[in-house]
Amino acid sequence: QVLLQESGPGLVKPSETLSLTCTVSGGSITTHYWSWIRQPPGKGLEWIGNMYHTEYARYNPSLGSRVTISLDTSNNQVSLNLRSVTAADTAVYYCVRGRYCSGGRCAWYGMDVWGQGTTATVSS
Amino acid sequence: DIVMTQSPLSLPVTPGEPASISCRSSQSLLHSNGNIYLDWYLQKPGQSPQLLIYLGSGRASGVPDRFSGSGSGTDFTLKISKVEAEDVGIYYCMQALETPRTFGQGTNLEIK
Repeated sequence: QVLLQESGPGLVKPSETLSLTCTVSGGSITTHYWSWIRQPPGKGLEWIGNMYHTEYARYNPSLGSRVTISLDTSNNQVSLNLRSVTAADTAVYYCVRGRYCSGGRCAWYGMDVWGQGTTATVSS
Repeated sequence: DIVMTQSPLSLPVTPGEPASISCRSSQSLLHSNGNIYLDWYLQKPGQSPQLLIYLGSGRASGVPDRFSGSGSGTDFTLKISKVEAEDVGIYYCMQALETPRTFGQGTNLEIK
């Protein structure tokens, strides 16, 4: 059973960088795409971006150039950095498993594994 | 970006009765490979979202067969044959055809 555990500082000051880590257990991160999705308080879901270990990351244009997603295959971790945060970045951030890839071919089976989410609050 | 529009946004249902949620996309979600890149997710109160349906009609592992997905092109439907109390929560459709992935606004299913 694959489990995802997000971790982060909880509270970030405006204009600083939010850094989150997702530790994956029960499976290798090299077999899937990994996404970050966030949910502001009382609102819907927003896709932040995704990455596969042999490709460049793809980001939501709504976040401009503020976001970076990276994979650490040695430690089986997925990371998110969001720069120059404002109160609008306050949300629950989810690490999510996506597209499956094997032998150079990929298939979509949905975003089938989600972490429990970590809350990030931007406030001075 | 592909815009996803759900209806209704609120859905009160009596246990044992059927329920239906509609989702419309601003462009076709049919890929040249023949797959329809439309998923359904349920977020139960206080929990992370969970996958219900992928590629329009594929039921995810462990999802009861009272849940079914259908549709083509730009119009999609999630149906629950007989609603149970554990089905309460917010249902989201999501397009997986292209990035950025985009979600519908969510439909809040509640028990009457």
